Amino acid sequence: DIQVTQSPASLSASIGDRVILTCQASQDIDNSLNWYQQQPGKAPKLLIYDGFNLEPGVPSRFSGSGSGTHFTLTINSLQPEDIATYYCQSFDGLPHLSFGGGTKVEIK
Amino acid sequence: QVHILQSGAEMKKPGASVKLSCKTSGYSFTDYFIHWVRQAPGQGLEWMGVLDPRGGATTSAQIFQGRVVMTRDTSTSTVYMELSSLKSEDTAVYYCAVDRAGATMMSSWGQGTLVTVSS
Repeated sequence: DIQVTQSPASLSASIGDRVILTCQASQDIDNSLNWYQQQPGKAPKLLIYDGFNLEPGVPSRFSGSGSGTHFTLTINSLQPEDIATYYCQSFDGLPHLSFGGGTKVEIK
Repeated sequence: QVHILQSGAEMKKPGASVKLSCKTSGYSFTDYFIHWVRQAPGQGLEWMGVLDPRGGATTSAQIFQGRVVMTRDTSTSTVYMELSSLKSEDTAVYYCAVDRAGATMMSSWGQGTLVTVSS
């Protein structure tokens, strides 16, 4: 089974900073990688699908890149409402669908 | 616009089963797959399985095979997930999510249902 590893597990940044989160897949998954945001006490929300496509309604400060085994989620100009845990999720044909362990983003 | 309403919190004893519901609206029910994902307290997300509403075919994660059953009622646009042989480790929030892409992602999520397993 494909494993997806996120790093760092947590980070602290200032408002306005650029934040980069990383997701590493254990084998080539092309661009089959999605990103979710989970704010405290809420259900997850889809941010980026298929590696780099911004979900409608998601602010443009969020962007995704990468393919193969290495992927990044970038938050340009961190905002207070971005405090959340971010998860990547890979897909390589059913039933091979996996979530990473998450990256918790906090304000410094 | 997709809308999802999940059933209320459940408390079960070890060894019992629980059946959760996920009622959808705002789209054609048979157009989109439905996933189930759970999250234990303070932990990450864990994919459980997916159902194709067109014919009811399901695929579950290997660790849940034999213990999870997903069904649907097309007349009410509702999907059900039954988990059997409950253990304390099954205590979690269970989410259903609509997948507009075809069993690859979760594009809209329900509010979640807390299941507590305790003797």
